[in-house]
Amino acid sequence: SQQGEEDPQALSIQEGENATMNCSYKTSINNLQWYRQNSGRGLVHLILIRSNEREKHSGRLRVTLDTSKKSSSLLITASRAADTASYFCATGNTDKLIFGTGTRLQVFP
Amino acid sequence: EPEVTQTPSHQVTQMGQEVILRCVPISNHLYFYWYRQILGQKVEFLVSFYNNEISEKSEIFDDQFSVERPDGSNFTLKIRSTKLEDSAMYFCASSVQGRETGELFFGEGSRLTVL
Repeated sequence: SQQGEEDPQALSIQEGENATMNCSYKTSINNLQWYRQNSGRGLVHLILIRSNEREKHSGRLRVTLDTSKKSSSLLITASRAADTASYFCATGNTDKLIFGTGTRLQVFP
Repeated sequence: EPEVTQTPSHQVTQMGQEVILRCVPISNHLYFYWYRQILGQKVEFLVSFYNNEISEKSEIFDDQFSVERPDGSNFTLKIRSTKLEDSAMYFCASSVQGRETGELFFGEGSRLTVL
């Protein structure tokens, strides 16, 4: 079964607006990570939130984690055209990381 | 800033041929991974490698695949006899941590096209 699924699959917004992406997972976790992928490029780590944390901030990023609902959200505030990319959540309990299906974010100038 | 480097960036091969994809992980990292991404699809785990042996592998990583760390710097993925469905972007990644599943650092990928 898939470990992580993001929704929405695609999101289009105007510059300056906030973007919220959600991730649901199925099994228990030690931590959850978010990654970004520009088209055709490698993945870049954005933020890691541990299972005993509920919220974490990094610059314009805010991540929440609800282990009771097995879900996480990534909020990008004051979006910019350069934020256009695919965003993936990832979870893993051993030495492998399983990625979700991703949300494609398009930010229009 | 240290980075994971992958070669080649793009390889075109005929079905049935052997392919070797190369990666140079970040020098102080101990855990190494291969992932693949078929065009427009999700990033799929293939294999992880630690202390000169495979630590985890997925169902995708069958007998046609092998990994090796032939020296202190390179980490390779070999596909013994390529199939059309092996066409994908292959990403190498490395990590300082493994069991705690810390941050992975990815290379820019090797695009494999099997004709």
